[in-house]
Amino acid sequence: KNQVEQSPQSLIILEGKNCTLQCNYTVSPFSNLRWYKQDTGRGPVSLTIMTFSENTKSNGRYTATLDADTKQSSLHITASQLSDSASYICVVSAKTSYDKVIFGPGTSLSVIP
Amino acid sequence: GAVVSQHPSRVICKSGTSVKIECRSLDFQATTMFWYRQFPKQSLMLMATSNEGSKATYEQGVEKDKFLINHASLTLSTLTVTSAHPEDSSFYICSAGTGTGAYEQYFGPGTRLTVT
Repeated sequence: KNQVEQSPQSLIILEGKNCTLQCNYTVSPFSNLRWYKQDTGRGPVSLTIMTFSENTKSNGRYTATLDADTKQSSLHITASQLSDSASYICVVSAKTSYDKVIFGPGTSLSVIP
Repeated sequence: GAVVSQHPSRVICKSGTSVKIECRSLDFQATTMFWYRQFPKQSLMLMATSNEGSKATYEQGVEKDKFLINHASLTLSTLTVTSAHPEDSSFYICSAGTGTGAYEQYFGPGTRLTVT
């Protein structure tokens, strides 16, 4: 069964600190993995997208890693800012006749002063 | 680039009425558009996938006669919630794909529907 799990479910960190969010998946055959940031009441915004051959992808203070062998991904946020408070969603696509997209439940991040 | 808009951003309607939500790709042609529903503190749930000029493909459990989807052009898809009930109150989000399948999706800002 194609599934995407994320941990932790929620996280509170102090402004300026770093944090790492985890994503484990059992999607096969794998097509790509994306991390999205969703602010409350808004649509998701893409942070990174990685295919099978990519191990790391950065977007400013966001760095995503992918281990296709263990089917794990992480999103590292450095020097967190108050505006980083949001839900971070891991999305994995399965390569089928049309790419089937499986959403993780998301990690709710709160950055406090 | 790759901007997707939705209209309206918020709508309140009475039970039994219908409401239409528009999704537009502003600066690209979207061969495929997706409609999602999101309940509070939950992740997005795919409702249907639509390709321009053809009938939408609905996910299991989604009533196609209740959630009418039209993808008449490469830049516009509409979702009509017919005979709305309070349990249809949710956050509806569309996304648009630029290529085949769902390789990259660009999401709209969402529409908050409240049925009273």
